[in-house]
Amino acid sequence: DAGVIQSPRHEVTEMGQEVTLRCKPISGHNSLFWYRQTMMRGLELLIYFNNNVPIDDSGMPEDRFSAKMPNASFSTLKIQPSEPRDSAVYFCASSPLHSGNTIYFGEGSWLTVV
Amino acid sequence: GENVEQHPSTLSVQEGDSAVIKCTYSDSASNYFPWYKQELGKRPQLIIDIRSNVGEKKDQRIAVTLNKTAKHFSLHITETQPEDSAVYFCAASRSDYKLSFGAGTTVTVRA
Repeated sequence: DAGVIQSPRHEVTEMGQEVTLRCKPISGHNSLFWYRQTMMRGLELLIYFNNNVPIDDSGMPEDRFSAKMPNASFSTLKIQPSEPRDSAVYFCASSPLHSGNTIYFGEGSWLTVV
Repeated sequence: GENVEQHPSTLSVQEGDSAVIKCTYSDSASNYFPWYKQELGKRPQLIIDIRSNVGEKKDQRIAVTLNKTAKHFSLHITETQPEDSAVYFCAASRSDYKLSFGAGTTVTVRA
């Protein structure tokens, strides 16, 4: 298995632009997570899906952020409009069964908003 | 919700010495405690985990101990090597809920 696949790996965008990050979880995993990592705040859980259904989105910072999981093999995290403070590494992760099991991280999407 | 505190935030050790990182958690219902290692510019990767039905688990040079009564768990790295330099994260969760991560410990192994 190729592991969790994320794209793009790096993105530089101007403030106000829409950003879409993509994730393909490990086949057979039915839990998917989006995390944001910054020096100041560490690893923050943004949203958690189980069987394609959002279970907990309490970590989504504000309405500018949205996430979807239209099927078991694809998820997106969208920021619209983007702001410089959104600059971070965004990790997608997946897990078999529920989140009380090992989660496997993708390589991350490094976002810079200028 | 679960609150995980991790100490120290930075740790510098001489090559060959041991490193110990400690975490405490708040939710007594938590029963799964993984440790992740993140090298610079890379993704966090699981190195060892422990569940609440055991008190200690070892894998070569790394070991994790769990004290459920005190609600703390620790990572021990023995005979440290330069490649052990990384950021280490502890985490805790209940079996049906999300992982809560500690703030991370930056470990530097001096040659």
